[in-house]
Amino acid sequence: GQNIDQPTEMTATEGAIVQINCTYQTSGFNGLFWYQQHAGEAPTFLSYNVLDGLEEKGRFSSFLSRSKGYSYLLLKELQMKDSASYLCAVLDSNYQLIWGAGTKLIIKP
Amino acid sequence: SQTIHQWPATLVQPVGSPLSLECTVEGTSNPNLYWYRQAAGRGLQLLFYSVGIGQISSEVPQNLSASRPQDRQFILSSKKLLLSDSGFYLCAWRTLGQGDTGELFFGEGSRLTVL
Repeated sequence: GQNIDQPTEMTATEGAIVQINCTYQTSGFNGLFWYQQHAGEAPTFLSYNVLDGLEEKGRFSSFLSRSKGYSYLLLKELQMKDSASYLCAVLDSNYQLIWGAGTKLIIKP
Repeated sequence: SQTIHQWPATLVQPVGSPLSLECTVEGTSNPNLYWYRQAAGRGLQLLFYSVGIGQISSEVPQNLSASRPQDRQFILSSKKLLLSDSGFYLCAWRTLGQGDTGELFFGEGSRLTVL
């Protein structure tokens, strides 16, 4: 079966750095997405990785290792508004999105 | 630019009543359309997707149905709601043409509470 694992919940301090991990086992791979979802709102796109390596976009970076079936989302200089759930999703060989359950990130002052 | 809109945003319905959630996309042609449900604190569960007018694929057997009467319109329905139908419903679209990454774009969501 297809599976995506990410931690259920993480806590970090304002101004700090946090890394959210995602491991996957899917039927094929055509890319990995990270979405941010604030409580009661729709998910919004953060990043897309299809090749190995690090993609940096402002305070957010996303890393991919296809050989290890592993990705992480790195958030720097955390702000209170970063409190949200972060969803990892993989595009499989049929271009269907397989979703992780999401990681709830709690930011403390 | 492309936009997606779904309504109503919030709905409180009694058990056994019907349901209709609507979603429209503007600014693109022949999109793939999706209905997801998200239970509180849980991940996204794919309910239906459509690759064209009148073409509906169901991922989860249940008392819900979907229809696509027009290219950019997607409707989620039920004849008789169950308590377990409560949740946050999300409509989404994407295109899978050359150069597309497969990124999904979501509507604002519809919060359904069945009492």
